[in-house]
Amino acid sequence: EAGVAQSPRYKIIEKRQSVAFWCNPISGHATLYWYQQILGQGPKLLIQFQNNGVVDDSQLPKDRFSAERLKGVDSTLKIQPAKLEDSAVYLCASSLLGRNTEAFFGQGTRLTVV
Amino acid sequence: AQSVTQLDSQVPVFEEAPVELRCNYSSSVSVYLFWYVQYPNQGLQLLLKYLSGSTLVKGINGFEAEFNKSQTSFHLRKPSVHISDTAEYFCAVFSNQAGTALIFGKGTTLSVSS
Repeated sequence: EAGVAQSPRYKIIEKRQSVAFWCNPISGHATLYWYQQILGQGPKLLIQFQNNGVVDDSQLPKDRFSAERLKGVDSTLKIQPAKLEDSAVYLCASSLLGRNTEAFFGQGTRLTVV
Repeated sequence: AQSVTQLDSQVPVFEEAPVELRCNYSSSVSVYLFWYVQYPNQGLQLLLKYLSGSTLVKGINGFEAEFNKSQTSFHLRKPSVHISDTAEYFCAVFSNQAGTALIFGKGTTLSVSS
């Protein structure tokens, strides 16, 4: 079974530039998450989708971050404009419906803002 | 609101020694509990999970954890560690409350030396 795919693996941009990350979840997984993991910290939820609807985006900095999940499958996360403090690993995860199901994580995209 | 506290940020141990990584959670409703492991430059991998039933949960790589509702804890243990267990370990909680997502602790770095 293919896992959660993310691209790119690494990205370096200058502050005030824009960047986009892509995630392809496991086939059949209705729930998709984007997490931000700053060095030395645990993953912090940015946004949770169920199919193509947003369940929770309370911690998404909406002035600069946006995310969409077209047709309830792939998802993109965009940052515009980027700040130095956005340097982190961005993790995508997916799971079946239900809180007792395991979330499967992709390898993440390491973003460095200089 | 739910939260997770991992009491130790770093745990150094010698090979073949036992180890315990501590995790406490806070939630006003019933919860599901997870431990994930993250090896360098990789995504998160599920070690084990507690959903219901027996409070002692066995996972992969010889790890186990015990759910203690009265102490709101879910400590991770291994009787004898290997060098290959060196990694970051995250405790996570999923509450039974509608709209909530998987919330992570800040992580514990386990360093195993010979």
